Amino acid sequence: GAGVSQSPSNKVTEKGKDVELRCDPISGHTALYWYRQSLGQGLEFLIYFQGNSAPDKSGLPSDRFSAERTGGSVSTLTIQRTQQEDSAVYLCASSWGGSDQPQHFGDGTRLSIL
Amino acid sequence: DQQVKQNSPSLSVQEGRISILNCDYTNSMFDYFLWYKKYPAEGPTFLISISSIKDKNEDGRFTVFLNKSAKHLSLHIVPSQPGDSAVYFCAASGAAGNKLTFGGGTRVLVKP
Repeated sequence: GAGVSQSPSNKVTEKGKDVELRCDPISGHTALYWYRQSLGQGLEFLIYFQGNSAPDKSGLPSDRFSAERTGGSVSTLTIQRTQQEDSAVYLCASSWGGSDQPQHFGDGTRLSIL
Repeated sequence: DQQVKQNSPSLSVQEGRISILNCDYTNSMFDYFLWYKKYPAEGPTFLISISSIKDKNEDGRFTVFLNKSAKHLSLHIVPSQPGDSAVYFCAASGAAGNKLTFGGGTRVLVKP
């Protein structure tokens, strides 16, 4: 499709396991963002990529969280040794880059840590 | 500290009438503002945006107004339709980077 694609749509895992979340941005979009929305909380920024570089990682909550982007396209968000407080909807967005370009979101991955 | 606030958690409006959603911000470095609509189990959908050099932007039934001196923006939807029932988020970005800072959302219910 033409939109941002995220997989899996749902993920249930046990505390302590590692998880990988994938994002396929809109073709040609140079900027890619990860956000999360915890239960009862607003959308919070995690990390921003321009091309394959991440100039802003300020929202990553701990060193258990990491992300990479390859080929200026697909991105993977990895959470190591998951904790229950990591349960949230993880949203990916992409844009043409620049401060006046709207970000377009995927439908997210709902992550549940048991 | 919440840099972007939507003080009304919910709004109910009759079909055909105007919906007015409000948003306040505190960071004077914000220079680009957006409104998103979100249905359950879906990602936010971009509706309309405005740059800080403008005070109004219109797209069909949606108009966004920006009052920089008051650090306030609003979204007008007219006429409101039942399909507009959703949660609406305002968001802002600024010179510090392109990341979006979101308000807490306003749930809109349009009654037939």
